[in-house]
Amino acid sequence: AQSVTQLDSHVSVSEGTPVLLRCNYSSSYSPSLFWYVQHPNKGLQLLLKYTSAATLVKGINGFEAEFKKSETSFHLTKPSAHMSDAAEYFCVVSDSTGNQFYFGTGTSLTVIP
Amino acid sequence: DTGVSQDPRHKITKRGQNVTFRCDPISEHNRLYWYRQTLGQGPEFLTYFQNEAQLEKSRLLSDRFSAERPKGSFSTLEIQRTEQGDSAMYLCASSLTGKGAFFGQGTRLTVV
Repeated sequence: AQSVTQLDSHVSVSEGTPVLLRCNYSSSYSPSLFWYVQHPNKGLQLLLKYTSAATLVKGINGFEAEFKKSETSFHLTKPSAHMSDAAEYFCVVSDSTGNQFYFGTGTSLTVIP
Repeated sequence: DTGVSQDPRHKITKRGQNVTFRCDPISEHNRLYWYRQTLGQGPEFLTYFQNEAQLEKSRLLSDRFSAERPKGSFSTLEIQRTEQGDSAMYLCASSLTGKGAFFGQGTRLTVV
């Protein structure tokens, strides 16, 4: 079985400071991992994905994530938060066939001006 | 815009009525997914199509729910005899095999 655990339900950062959103995964095989962002009343937007290539994955809007197999982690980072980054972030793992995507419970990011 | 589109964006219905939602995926994508998201939760898988074949259905998809994807293009999700517990955001996504899924903006259903 596969699942993801987002360790923080809420994260607050000041504008211009680094962002760290934590995600641990559980999978019985080499997983595909994703981060999605959801702004209020909007759909989910794919930020980045890891599919067994480079362990450091760069995404849109300056976000990146590092796959660490030894720690079963896939944390999302950004060097400098912007007000427009305030949103809900979901860590996602897919099953071995890529048929289903399993979402974490989400992390709400607040950016303080 | 060539993304995933869903219609309607919002639907308010009385308990017991039937509702139908439509999803138009990205045209070259062979996979189509339906998810449900309730307030404060992550999306939960409902069902998945590869081309026109419905390959998996979640236990969440009771017999009041039916999804179709005729001709492997757009998909519809119908809920019969709606209940208040059906109130949620219904999300559609599409993907190419092995790639990340792209989501639509969802249909927000409110059952009163």
